[in-house]
Amino acid sequence: EDKVVQSPLSLVVHEGDTVTLNCSYEVTNFRSLLWYKQEKKAPTFLFMLTSSGIEKKSGRLSSILDKKELFSILNITATQTGDSAVYLCAVEKDSGYALNFGKGTSLLVTP
Amino acid sequence: GAGVSQSPSNKVTEKGKDVELRCDPISGHTALYWYRQRLGQGLEFLIYFQGNSAPDKSGLPSDRFSAERTGESVSTLTIQRTQQEDSAVYLCASSSQGRRQPQHFGDGTRLSIL
Repeated sequence: EDKVVQSPLSLVVHEGDTVTLNCSYEVTNFRSLLWYKQEKKAPTFLFMLTSSGIEKKSGRLSSILDKKELFSILNITATQTGDSAVYLCAVEKDSGYALNFGKGTSLLVTP
Repeated sequence: GAGVSQSPSNKVTEKGKDVELRCDPISGHTALYWYRQRLGQGLEFLIYFQGNSAPDKSGLPSDRFSAERTGESVSTLTIQRTQQEDSAVYLCASSSQGRRQPQHFGDGTRLSIL
């Protein structure tokens, strides 16, 4: 059975800290891994990763994929209170159309 | 439109009633997806449309659930004879043609069955 597991489930940090969120997966016919940020409503797209070892970066956020060890990390440096959200990891398979989501990591950044 | 639009944003109904949820995808996006997010759970895939046809309905939990799409645009998800376990946020996403394009989500419809 396909699995996407995120850790930790929740995290509380102070503004300015750096955080690393983890996503491990076991799926057949892997195509890509995606990260989303979900505040109150719509998950908003952050990154799509298809190749191992190539870091994707957007401002203070970055992510990398390891297809050998079957995981990805999402890093947030110099966290701000606006980074507080649930971060969702999802895997897309070559053989289907659906995204297979993990349960998410709830991040709270305190002032 | 600028983003994926869903309506209503909230729906409260009595057990046993039918409900219809609507999704307007991003203009020009040919692929459309429905997901369900129960409290404390990850998103569960329900159905995928390419144009007006649904090549993957594998996530629909029972025959009470159905969906259609017309004009390669608007989609409706219908739940008949609602049950309390149907309470969830129903999210719609769309993407442009091509498997390597990310899915973009709407704000969802929060459905509460009394």
